[in-house]
Amino acid sequence: EVQLVESGGGLVQPGGSLRLSCAASGLTFSDHYMDWVRQAPGKGLEWVGRVRKRSNSYTTEYAASVKGRFTISRDDSQNSLYLQMNSLKTEDTAVYFCARVSHTEGYSFDFWGQGTMVTVSS
Amino acid sequence: DIQMTQSPSSLSASVGDRVTITCRASQGIRNDLAWYQQKPGKAPKRLIYVASSLQSGVPSRFSGSGSGAEFTLTISSLQPEDFATYYCLQHNSYPLTFGGGTKVEIK
Repeated sequence: EVQLVESGGGLVQPGGSLRLSCAASGLTFSDHYMDWVRQAPGKGLEWVGRVRKRSNSYTTEYAASVKGRFTISRDDSQNSLYLQMNSLKTEDTAVYFCARVSHTEGYSFDFWGQGTMVTVSS
Repeated sequence: DIQMTQSPSSLSASVGDRVTITCRASQGIRNDLAWYQQKPGKAPKRLIYVASSLQSGVPSRFSGSGSGAEFTLTISSLQPEDFATYYCLQHNSYPLTFGGGTKVEIK
């Protein structure tokens, strides 16, 4: 059974940093692109960014709203995905989900974690 | 960026009703579209991929159609467990973008 478990969320002051992790099990983690998606309280879903797999040189893509502040990385040996968030703003307050990108059934998200809450407030 | 305009933003329906939700893309996205269902406090769940393919394990009352710039999600006979918020996602180009969501409520 595929499981994605996020951790690392919490309360941080504006301008601060936080690192989220996503632990994967039940899948060949290294075969898949992995993404982060967030959802502000009471709002819709917003794509944050992507890290591709080793054969694509682990290249990344980001939403304009986080580019230059957030960094996505992965450690295939640990089946783990990371989101380093710097220079946090109040508008980054959201539940952050990690999601697996399917590579056989269209390049959309077929599995999601349960999410971790990040609150940016003074 | 490709804008995904989803309508309606909310609807009220009864058990057994046929429900249709639409997503329009600001430019053509071939069939690079998925539909998700989200219940409060839970992660989204994929229902449809590549516009019209039913995710394994999803009831056949859900169906998707469309290509290019206009897409629909249809629930043929609404069941109590279908009351939720539905989102479309385009994955044709970066940044990936979601529709604004459709909240399906009990009438």
